[in-house]
Amino acid sequence: AQKVTQAQTEISVVEKEDVTLDCVYETRDTTYYLFWYKQPPSGELVFLIRRNSFDEQNEISGRYSWNFQKSTSSFNFTITASQVVDSAVYFCALAQYNQGGKLIFGQGTELSVKP
Amino acid sequence: EPEVTQTPSHQVTQMGQEVILRCVPISNHLYFYWYRQILGQKVEFLVSFYNNEISEKSEIFDDQFSVERPDGSNFTLKIRSTKLEDSAMYFCASNPEAGPYEQYFGPGTRLTVT
Repeated sequence: AQKVTQAQTEISVVEKEDVTLDCVYETRDTTYYLFWYKQPPSGELVFLIRRNSFDEQNEISGRYSWNFQKSTSSFNFTITASQVVDSAVYFCALAQYNQGGKLIFGQGTELSVKP
Repeated sequence: EPEVTQTPSHQVTQMGQEVILRCVPISNHLYFYWYRQILGQKVEFLVSFYNNEISEKSEIFDDQFSVERPDGSNFTLKIRSTKLEDSAMYFCASNPEAGPYEQYFGPGTRLTVT
């Protein structure tokens, strides 16, 4: 069975701090995809990144970076120099390669960045 | 930039009533999805739809639920007899093709069952 665990329910930081959101996944598939979505207070789901299981290279996009480690089944997300606008719920999700793209979400981590 | 749209943004209904939630996916997309999010909880997959039929459905998607693509643009989710526990945010999403690609989510419809 596939499962995504985000053990951190809530994180609170002060602006300019770095923060890492943890994501651990379970799957028996060798080919799969991992995603991060942001859900700001307005409620929509905003796509941040997709990685496939064969690409373990870390990725950086501005203040955002992702660390994919297959050995520990983790796909962690770091925000550097956090800003108040980063306050949101962040979801990690897993999709199998051959199941039409259905996303399995973790419980989400609510990040609060205080000025 | 093309986007997925959903109407209404908020629907209030009484228990036992039928509701239809509407979505307009991005025009050249082929795969369509419904997810729901009960307040404060995770986003859960309901159903995927391709080539005018259901590809996969979750345990949540019981006989009370149905989906339809009545024309070339709309994609609807119907709940026949709503229950209090159906209160949630319902998200529509679409993919340009089969597979685990970035899913484009709509803004959601908040359904409140009283």
